[in-house]
Amino acid sequence: SAVISQKPSRDICQRGTSLTIQCQVDSQVTMMFWYRQQPGQSLTLIATANQGSEATYESGFVIDKFPISRPNLTFSTLTVSNMSPEDSSIYLCSVGTGNGGVGYTFGSGTRLTVV
Amino acid sequence: AQRVTQPEKLLSVFKGAPVELKCNYSYSGSPELFWYVQYSRQRLQLLLRHISRESIKGFTADLNKGETSFHLKKPFAQEEDSAMYYCALRPTDTGKLIFGQGTTLQVKP
Repeated sequence: SAVISQKPSRDICQRGTSLTIQCQVDSQVTMMFWYRQQPGQSLTLIATANQGSEATYESGFVIDKFPISRPNLTFSTLTVSNMSPEDSSIYLCSVGTGNGGVGYTFGSGTRLTVV
Repeated sequence: AQRVTQPEKLLSVFKGAPVELKCNYSYSGSPELFWYVQYSRQRLQLLLRHISRESIKGFTADLNKGETSFHLKKPFAQEEDSAMYYCALRPTDTGKLIFGQGTTLQVKP
């Protein structure tokens, strides 16, 4: 299965600033996703990162707040913009591999604390 | 609405006891269902998929469309099974996963 390198692993940021999270995969993948896991909550999909086009956002998430880049089939970034303490969460990159997403591999996550 | 429900936040059993982690889903079509596990300080990893009908680490899960359930079972729990378990649903023709709230399994010696 694909190996994902996600960084940074954690960060503490000031409110009002932005943080960009990187996700690097060791092989080309069609599907790449960004999830958020708020404290004590389950994983919620933020968006699907599409290569060569704009990301597809889930209800409740907007591009201005969570801009995503996907310049090629092995790399994506998620930016958390104009952060507030409510953005404190774990952010996870995930890729689907195989036909129909046979397997989904997750990055180790970025633990973000906004102060 | 597409939803996955794991009613138990915490399940605590003794080593050697049977385990059943409950998962119910709400989806009008034909779903693909998964169980993911996250051990302490490790990343989320796939445990099993319903279409594989496999047994991984002694765990099995059967899709019951009538009851819209996909419960995870193991006849004899081991201490190393202690982890957070997530049930997830993949709607047809999408790549995304919809996760349940997760159940922490605690296996006591």
